[in-house]
Amino acid sequence: EVQLVESGGGVVQPGGSLRLSCAASGFTFSDYAMSWVRQAPGKGLEWVSVINGGGNYINYADSVRGRFTISRDNSKNTVYLQMNSLRAEDMAVYYCARRLPTVGSNYFEYWGQGILVTVSS
Amino acid sequence: EIVLTQSPATLSLSPGERATLSCRASQSVSNSLGWYQQKPGQAPRLLIYDASNRATGIPARFSGSGSGTDFTLTISSLEPEDFAVYYCQQRSSWPLTFGGGTKVEIK
Repeated sequence: EVQLVESGGGVVQPGGSLRLSCAASGFTFSDYAMSWVRQAPGKGLEWVSVINGGGNYINYADSVRGRFTISRDNSKNTVYLQMNSLRAEDMAVYYCARRLPTVGSNYFEYWGQGILVTVSS
Repeated sequence: EIVLTQSPATLSLSPGERATLSCRASQSVSNSLGWYQQKPGQAPRLLIYDASNRATGIPARFSGSGSGTDFTLTISSLEPEDFAVYYCQQRSSWPLTFGGGTKVEIK
């Protein structure tokens, strides 16, 4: 059974930093690109970042580029999102998500339960 | 960035009725469009990918159609568990983008 479990959320002041983790199980982790998707309170979904299975392709939404860094450790089956210079508009539930099995089929078949990041002074 | 516009924002229907949701892309995405269902407090669930393919375990009452810039998600006969928010998403180009959502509520 595929499982994705996020951790590391919490309350942080504007300008602060936080690192999210997503522990994966139930599939060959290194075979899959992983993404982070977020959802501000009461709002829609926003794709944030992707990293491919080998870690050599990375992409970001413009809204986080230069402030967030995605990485992965295939020996630990974990993907990370380092979030720096956090702003009020970064406050959201952050989901990690895995695509469909077909390479390039960037739809999200599996999602974590989500982790809340609150940015507030 | 490809902008996806969903309509209507809210759809008020009764169980057993047919639901028709629309998603329009700001430029052609070919057939690279998917649909998700999200219930309160839950992660989204993939329903349809590549415009018309049902994801694993999705009931046949859910169907998708369209290509280019205009897409439709149809729920043939609403079940009580289908009342939720639905999002479309394109994978044609980076950044991946989602529509703003359509809420299907009980009339």
